[in-house]
Amino acid sequence: GENVEQHPSTLSVQEGDSAVIKCTYSDSASNYFPWYKQELGKRPQLIIDIRSNVGEKKDQRIAVTLNKTAKHFSLHITETQPEDSAVYFCAASRKNNDMRFGAGTRLTVKP
Amino acid sequence: SAVISQKPSRDICQRGTSLTIQCQVDSQVTMMFWYRQQPGQSLTLIATANQGSEATYESGFVIDKFPISRPNLTFSTLTVSNMSPEDSSIYLCSVENLSGNTIYFGEGSWLTVV
Repeated sequence: GENVEQHPSTLSVQEGDSAVIKCTYSDSASNYFPWYKQELGKRPQLIIDIRSNVGEKKDQRIAVTLNKTAKHFSLHITETQPEDSAVYFCAASRKNNDMRFGAGTRLTVKP
Repeated sequence: SAVISQKPSRDICQRGTSLTIQCQVDSQVTMMFWYRQQPGQSLTLIATANQGSEATYESGFVIDKFPISRPNLTFSTLTVSNMSPEDSSIYLCSVENLSGNTIYFGEGSWLTVV
């Protein structure tokens, strides 16, 4: 089955700096890669996703890149703000009931 | 995205008891899932709730411990049976959107077993 590894486990940045979280996956048949943000005491919220037919997707300060050959994908947050502080999870799947999540990255943005 | 409601949102349960969590969606969905998130951990898929048939369980999860019902396309229940402190977790219902492949989560049910 799919195995998703996520790094780093914790990340601390200064407000205004960029943050990058990286994930690798094992199943070359995986074709859908979402990212979720989970604030303390709340559910995971989908913030951006990418499918295997594109290499990059951007939504305001958030971007995701995908390298299918290397089987890795990354989340990029620019101009970070304190409200970006949360746990971020990557995931990979080739069909919906086969979605696997990374271990999570705790991002702290210091004002 | 669909509106997903879960009940209860939180509960403190006695060891050895069972609790049923309800998940209601405001529109018909094909795929419904149940996830567990243990304290400080990632999300683990428990099972896929199939409408009109038995749920499909992931490795490490069994029907006797986590019976699931899905009587229609908008509702599902997960029961956590014979609870122990190790079952203290967030249990999350999730659904797939109509265009496929996008998973949304309910607000979660925070269970503490004492």
